[in-house]
Amino acid sequence: ILNVEQSPQSLHVQEGDSTNFTCSFPSSNFYALHWYRWETAKSPEALFVMTLNGDEKKKGRISATLNTKEGYSYLYIKGSQPEDSATYLCAIHVNRGSTLGRLYFGRGTQLTVWP
Amino acid sequence: DAGVTQSPTHLIKTRGQQVTLRCSPISGHKSVSWYQQVLGQGPQFIFQYYEKEERGRGNFPDRFSARQFPNYSSELNVNALLLGDSALYLCASSAGTSNYGYTFGSGTRLTVV
Repeated sequence: ILNVEQSPQSLHVQEGDSTNFTCSFPSSNFYALHWYRWETAKSPEALFVMTLNGDEKKKGRISATLNTKEGYSYLYIKGSQPEDSATYLCAIHVNRGSTLGRLYFGRGTQLTVWP
Repeated sequence: DAGVTQSPTHLIKTRGQQVTLRCSPISGHKSVSWYQQVLGQGPQFIFQYYEKEERGRGNFPDRFSARQFPNYSSELNVNALLLGDSALYLCASSAGTSNYGYTFGSGTRLTVV
């Protein structure tokens, strides 16, 4: 069993606030980290795939950083909008032979942005 | 280009029954993975298939089985349904077994009563 922890479990912010949340994972055998955005009744939407220590990715107002040595990633949303309301899932690949193809997910952070 | 499609979207079954869920991957994707998400948890890996062969299996009982067809679509079968099998079942497709891009369908919501 591989534990991927996300915090906080839920977050409520006002429109215009900036916010961030954390994904923690075991650093051994790390291969890649994925961030997904998941709106209710829709399919999870891929935001970022990150592989290298120190990676920083950005997509509009959303950005992410990766620290593979200490086993964590941060997701930042600048100037949150109501349409950012969703569950943000973190998942990792580990390089352990036959398990390479599977993703290990955290429980997600549920973000609600109030107008 | 159509995304990953799953059918049915919702399903209600009785304990002890059997269920088949279907998934069509993105055109050109040869790998299909299945995940189960129960309320309050992250998705859990069930199976991965690539080129019609099983490439990985998660910690699920033998009541769970799957297969992949020549057109790369896939079916997930669950026999002898238990109440605890109630969950959202997600399918993801990718071009290979361990490359980075995974595209998910919107899932099948299974309720066992």
